[in-house]
Amino acid sequence: ETGVTQTPRHLVMGMTNKKSLKCEQHLGHNAMYWYKQSAKKPLELMFVYSLEERVENNSVPSRFSPECPNSSHLFLHLHTLQPEDSALYLCASSQDGPYNEQFFGPGTRLTVL
Amino acid sequence: TQLLEQSPQFLSIQEGENLTVYCNSSSVFSSLQWYRQEPGEGPVLLVTVVTGGEVKKLKRLTFQFGDARKDSSLHITAAQPGDTGLYLCAGARSQGGKLIFGQGTELSVKP
Repeated sequence: ETGVTQTPRHLVMGMTNKKSLKCEQHLGHNAMYWYKQSAKKPLELMFVYSLEERVENNSVPSRFSPECPNSSHLFLHLHTLQPEDSALYLCASSQDGPYNEQFFGPGTRLTVL
Repeated sequence: TQLLEQSPQFLSIQEGENLTVYCNSSSVFSSLQWYRQEPGEGPVLLVTVVTGGEVKKLKRLTFQFGDARKDSSLHITAAQPGDTGLYLCAGARSQGGKLIFGQGTELSVKP
C-alpha cells in the first residue's frame, strides 16, 4: 500500500450504532488529520494529531472520538450520530514544516439513517 | 463568514476553452495551496505558492499568488475532460499553521 488509505470506503449506520473509521499513512509523516466534507461547504478540520499528541480539536461534538495509537494510524470512533453527520470523512497526513501540505486518503462516505 | 471565497462555484465548459478560477480573501496568507479532487477520491495537491506575485506553471495550469498575498488564481488553458473535478484553494495564516479551505469550484469539461 502507498499513500494514505482509509477503510471502510462506505458506511451506513443507524443513530444508535457504534462504528469506527480507520486511516493509515505509509508516507512516514508525523501529523495526521480528520476532515469533514459536506456538499457545498468548505472542508472542516475536525482533529489534528502531531507526533501522536492531539493538538487541535475544533469544537467537534463528543459523539466523534479520535484515537492515534502511533504515527501511522488514526481512528475516528463514532457513536449515537445524527443524520446531519452524514458526509465524506477525509483523513490526511503531512510532515511538519512551513506549508503543511496535505496528503489525503480517498475518504469514507458516511450515511446516518 | 467565509475566510476564503472561491469563484465561480460551478463552471461547465467545452473542451478546448480557457478558464480562470479565483480564490479571494480580506486576510493575508503565509502560503496558499491548490488541490484537485475527483469524484470518489480525496483532494490531491497541485501546487503551493508562498511569495507575493509568484507565478507557477504546471503544464496547462498557471497559478498566481496576489502581490498582497490575499488572493490567488488558477488559469487552465485548452481545458480537457480530464481536468474535470473540484478545485480547492487552501491558505495558511502562518508558517506551519492549519489550512483554511475555500468551498471549492466544481469544473466540468465536456468533450
